[in-house]
Amino acid sequence: GAGVSQSPRYKVAKRGQDVALRCDPISGHVSLFWYQQALGQGPEFLTYFQNEAQLDKSGLPSDRFFAERPEGSVSTLKIQRTQQEDSAVYLCASSQPPSGGKLFFGSGTQLSVL
Amino acid sequence: DAKTTQPTSMDCAEGRAANLPCNHSTISGNEYVYWYRQIHSQGPQYIIHGLKNNETNEMASLIITEDRKSSTLILPHATLRDTAVYYCITSVGGKLIFGQGTTLQVKP
Repeated sequence: GAGVSQSPRYKVAKRGQDVALRCDPISGHVSLFWYQQALGQGPEFLTYFQNEAQLDKSGLPSDRFFAERPEGSVSTLKIQRTQQEDSAVYLCASSQPPSGGKLFFGSGTQLSVL
Repeated sequence: DAKTTQPTSMDCAEGRAANLPCNHSTISGNEYVYWYRQIHSQGPQYIIHGLKNNETNEMASLIITEDRKSSTLILPHATLRDTAVYYCITSVGGKLIFGQGTTLQVKP
């Protein structure tokens, strides 16, 4: 595809609901990253995939957060039992070695938990 | 990854060069310097990166000091559309740790 695509663009959830956020990376990109960005803050790293392998999940804030990339392309970030503090923009990025640090970001999913 | 220090905000007149500084005094030998920017309501956008040598592309120039402890991103002719938050990041590649960045306001 032309760029990284994320859906939905906006999501409103009631506290306690489960949500699933989708990321379609640039076709052929091996690496995929998820970031969380609170209002007025820089993006914070959540997790990283290389193909289907989740190599780093050190940034996931709790066990309510789960990410997968079963076929090495599309990825889903799932948040269970959402809390108000989960309200943020969730950004997905992809890259292709050897340009490891040159990430292409999507526009993000803005999650609001009421 | 090394920590970077950037001014919180800067102003620049439209048409003039914008020089954005970044300190990364604890950078290690294999870490690159990356610059990204984020325009409101969009995801971060890659601008440029370098290891030791100065770099230039269609968007900007990157000047890295000889000791690699600091760098400067130069937007040669700033436009109103360059108003954004600019992030300086050091990394060996892949996982990027963003700080607070510099909010650049380009004024007419």
